[in-house]
Amino acid sequence: DAEITQSPRHKITETGRQVTLACHQTWNHNNMFWYRQDLGHGLRLIHYSYGVQDTNKGEVSDGYSVSRSNTEDLPLTLESAASSQTSVYFCASSRDRMTEAFFGQGTRLTVV
Amino acid sequence: AQKVTQAQTEISVVEKEDVTLDCVYETRDTTYYLFWYKQPPSGELVFLIRRNSFDEQNEISGRYSWNFQKSTSSFNFTITASQVVDSAVYFCALLSRGVDRGSTLGSLYFGRGTQLTVWP
Repeated sequence: DAEITQSPRHKITETGRQVTLACHQTWNHNNMFWYRQDLGHGLRLIHYSYGVQDTNKGEVSDGYSVSRSNTEDLPLTLESAASSQTSVYFCASSRDRMTEAFFGQGTRLTVV
Repeated sequence: AQKVTQAQTEISVVEKEDVTLDCVYETRDTTYYLFWYKQPPSGELVFLIRRNSFDEQNEISGRYSWNFQKSTSSFNFTITASQVVDSAVYFCALLSRGVDRGSTLGSLYFGRGTQLTVWP
């Protein structure tokens, strides 16, 4: 079955370190998204991509970057992790721009 | 700008009670979609339903029903005869075509979620 997977599921890192969260989908979806979930804020968009070599900033993109070298993967990089980036991160993909998105299981990141 | 408001932060009911989760949205786009997602204690996000802005018919799926009213910009979700397994955080979300300034085509705008607890 097609799916979307995130790795790692849990990570603890130190302030200032670079961290990369992986997202891989096998639906061949063009659109991929990264969200963060924080208590009281729901899910907020970090970055998104409409296809290979396309990346765009979302609502809360400062301190994050993404790259899209193939259809299946959209890794999220925290350039220099900060305690404010402690959160649960969700990757999602959708077939086209007006259909439902399917989400990965989430990555819980703790920055100490 | 896009906005989704879920005014109920937490709701507690006893099993078999009916419960309605409210969702109010704002958008200047004329074409948009509304969604509900469920996040059980295990943490994953489960897609429940999508409605487009041109279809105001209510929908029923088993114990779940959705009431879309464009006149009040609301898309409410009712669970009939609630069960303990319905305990979860429920998110309402909006997806627009990106005409409204500040919106992102293809991206979901989420409300803050409603924590539903169903007691046995």
